[in-house]
Amino acid sequence: KAGVTQTPRYLIKTRGQQVTLSCSPISGHRSVSWYQQTPGQGLQFLFEYFSETQRNKGNFPGRFSGRQFSNSRSEMNVSTLELGDSALYLCASSFGGQISGNTIYFGEGSWLTVV
Amino acid sequence: DAKTTQPNSMESNEEEPVHLPCNHSTISGTDYIHWYRQLPSQGPEYVIHGLTSNVNNRMASLAIAEDRKSSTLILHRATLRDAAVYYCILRDVRNRDDKIIFGKGTRLHILP
Repeated sequence: KAGVTQTPRYLIKTRGQQVTLSCSPISGHRSVSWYQQTPGQGLQFLFEYFSETQRNKGNFPGRFSGRQFSNSRSEMNVSTLELGDSALYLCASSFGGQISGNTIYFGEGSWLTVV
Repeated sequence: DAKTTQPNSMESNEEEPVHLPCNHSTISGTDYIHWYRQLPSQGPEYVIHGLTSNVNNRMASLAIAEDRKSSTLILHRATLRDAAVYYCILRDVRNRDDKIIFGKGTRLHILP
């Protein structure tokens, strides 16, 4: 079965631009969450969507937003890019509706470089 | 903040067992202990999880202390492909979400 797919894998943007990253979860998974990974801050939770509703949000500015579609695919958007937004953005999916062993599966990530 | 403490890095020889420790002294009765690992240039992957009893799967074993304040991930026979950052995480069974608070993890180096 196909894993979590993220596109694009690599991209370079200029300061002030905006970017949209896409995530296709594993078939049947209804929860999609997003994480930012940088060398300095490690893995940080951005937000989670379940059945098209944002269920949880991390401590990131409003420039970071996301959405989930009826087919569970998700996008995240970062507006007015800053140099510090350069990072690996990871998407993860699960069945959702937390049970103790609800395994979360991560994609390979989208590498964003802001110049 | 992450509620677990792990050594920053560890080394092991190839084909030998590896014991990765994790301290979680403030664990609550509803917290499950999960382990993920992140290989270079990849997203984290699930390794194993448990509540009170020791657990085994095809990847590893999880040994949980009787007071649950610490646990150990055991790789029975390390290979070069096990070189990764290993994260020990607590997930409250009452939380119906996938928000994970990652710590810094342990970077495992495997020596050939």
